[in-house]
Amino acid sequence: GAGVSQSPSNKVTEKGKDVELRCDPISGHTALYWYRQSLGQGLEFLIYFQGNSAPDKSGLPSDRFSAERTGGSVSTLTIQRTQQEDSAVYLCASSSSRGARAGELFFGEGSRLTVL
Amino acid sequence: AQSVTQPDIHITVSEGASLELRCNYSYGATPYLFWYVQSPGQGLQLLLKYFSGDTLVQGIKGFEAEFKRSQSSFNLRKPSVHWSDAAEYFCAVGPGGGNKLTFGTGTQLKVEL
Repeated sequence: GAGVSQSPSNKVTEKGKDVELRCDPISGHTALYWYRQSLGQGLEFLIYFQGNSAPDKSGLPSDRFSAERTGGSVSTLTIQRTQQEDSAVYLCASSSSRGARAGELFFGEGSRLTVL
Repeated sequence: AQSVTQPDIHITVSEGASLELRCNYSYGATPYLFWYVQSPGQGLQLLLKYFSGDTLVQGIKGFEAEFKRSQSSFNLRKPSVHWSDAAEYFCAVGPGGGNKLTFGTGTQLKVEL
């Protein structure tokens, strides 16, 4: 596609439920990132995929959070047993490691998660 | 570990006035530096980036930034602010090559007419 696509754009769930957030990166981009943006906070790094390498999961806040990237393209971020503090905007970005725009992150518009 | 500090949480300027947003970073090697803007209801958009070479970089919408290694800074400037510049601005640092960026907490810019 032309840009990074995320779905759903908005998700309201009840505490304790599981949620899945999807990211479709720019075609050909080898790197994919998940960030979390909470009110008054910056962008908190969650996880990073680069090609076929093992993902960098160092930013995942707890074992309730996981992510996978299938076929080197689409990624799903899963939050199990959601808590109210998980409420935030989850941003996905992708980048290429080659060319004039190497290293530049292209962001989706985010998935706003509200946990009641 | 890499880190970014944006000391100003909120800044208010009058339309037509000059603007400088501060960014200080901590990084062990030559950094790749970025400024992103997030307008209300929109995704993050790259304003400009510094990889190497000329330390004064030009970006979109009339913005520029200067890399000062001695001060570990990458401040964003604009000579004359427009009302449409009201947004949140994020500075970021990373190793380049498509590796993860570390972002600051952002500066919220308000423009008074």
